[in-house]
Amino acid sequence: KQEVTQIPAALSVPEGENLVLNCSFTDSAIYNLQWFRQDPGKGLTSLLLIQSSQREQTSGRLNASLDKSSGRSTLYIAASQPGDSATYLCAVLENQGGKLIFGQGTELSVKP
Amino acid sequence: DTEVTQTPKHLVMGMTNKKSLKCEQHMGHRAMYWYKQKAKKPPELMFVYSYEKLSINESVPSRFSPECPNSSLLNLHLHALQPEDSALYLCASKDLGTGIKHEQFFGPGTRLTVL
Repeated sequence: KQEVTQIPAALSVPEGENLVLNCSFTDSAIYNLQWFRQDPGKGLTSLLLIQSSQREQTSGRLNASLDKSSGRSTLYIAASQPGDSATYLCAVLENQGGKLIFGQGTELSVKP
Repeated sequence: DTEVTQTPKHLVMGMTNKKSLKCEQHMGHRAMYWYKQKAKKPPELMFVYSYEKLSINESVPSRFSPECPNSSLLNLHLHALQPEDSALYLCASKDLGTGIKHEQFFGPGTRLTVL
């Protein structure tokens, strides 16, 4: 059974720091991996999606990598800003018709 | 347009009430989802509709009744809920088919409180 783990559960950094959020999954047979951001009481915003055949995706200050063989993905945030404060969730899709398996999330706080 | 809309934003209901949550997308997606999310937890899948047909029911109690009237709309009918059903209810959608990304898009959610 696929399990997704995110470490750390919470992270507090000063503004301007570069940071890495980690996501690991137990079964490497995935279709894709998606990173989401969630602000308190709001819906999920899709940040980046990496197909199983890809190694990384970039959008602005965000870079997500995928290493299927080791069951790991990282989300790199460059030059963090207070507006980046949110909960970040990773989720894997095992096959096209399957469901997303979520990690527990990392709650990020960027202090001014 | 990558928008999924949900109404209402907030809903307070008694345990004997009947109410409905609504979700709409105009991206041409043929899969639509209902999730339930409790505080500090990831979303939990409730139902999946593929091509307007219910394809997954995650053993959800019958007091929750989904409906997909057409490819753009998804409803969740609520009846005789319990206080523990209070949560954020999220709708999502994605495209179906081969050779596509299967990226899932979420709505803003409905905050439900059951008194």
